Amino acid sequence: EVQLVESGGGLVQPGGSLRLSCAASGFTFSSYSMNWVRQAPGKGLEWVSYISHTGSPTDYADSVRGRFTISRDSAKNSLYLQMNSLRDEDTAVYYCAKDEGYCRGASCFRWFVNWGQGTLVTVSS
Amino acid sequence: QPVLTQSSSASASLGSSVKLTCTLSSGHSSNLIAWHQQQPGKAPRFLMKIEGSGSYNKGSGVPDRFSGSSSGADRYLTISNLQSEDEADYYCETPDSNTRVFGGGTKLTVL
Repeated sequence: EVQLVESGGGLVQPGGSLRLSCAASGFTFSSYSMNWVRQAPGKGLEWVSYISHTGSPTDYADSVRGRFTISRDSAKNSLYLQMNSLRDEDTAVYYCAKDEGYCRGASCFRWFVNWGQGTLVTVSS
Repeated sequence: QPVLTQSSSASASLGSSVKLTCTLSSGHSSNLIAWHQQQPGKAPRFLMKIEGSGSYNKGSGVPDRFSGSSSGADRYLTISNLQSEDEADYYCETPDSNTRVFGGGTKLTVL
């Protein structure tokens, strides 16, 4: 059974930093691309960041580009999100999500097939 | 970048059927989409992936009451024999290269 368990959330002041972790089990972690998705209180889902199964390439939403860094450690079956220069609007539940997908020619198509339970990040003074 | 449009709310009676719609923006009508269910206070759960052809693949453990279909730029999630536990937010998602786009979500109320 696939399990994704996030940790590292908490209360942080504006301008501060936080590192989220996602422990993966039940599948061959090194074979799948992974993502972070967030949900602000009372709002919809927002994709945050992507990392390929090898660790490169990565990609970011414009709202976090230059402030957040996604990484992974296949030896530890773990996904990370380093969040710097945090703002009030980064307050959200952060989910890690496993991809499923296929490639046709030069194009690849992916969708989220497993979700973690989420970890709450609150940015407030 | 594709845009996904969903109605903000829907309602249907216990035991009846409901069809939720996710509409892809112009130029992206052949994209695949995925449907996710988020029950109150819980994490999202993958329901199914729907191709532009209308073929769909459900996630593990998703009841037979849930089905998918497609017409042009529209992707549908049909829930039959509505149960109280189907009251939830439903989101569609589509890929755009390495990024991902979500619809605004539909809040389904079971009357």
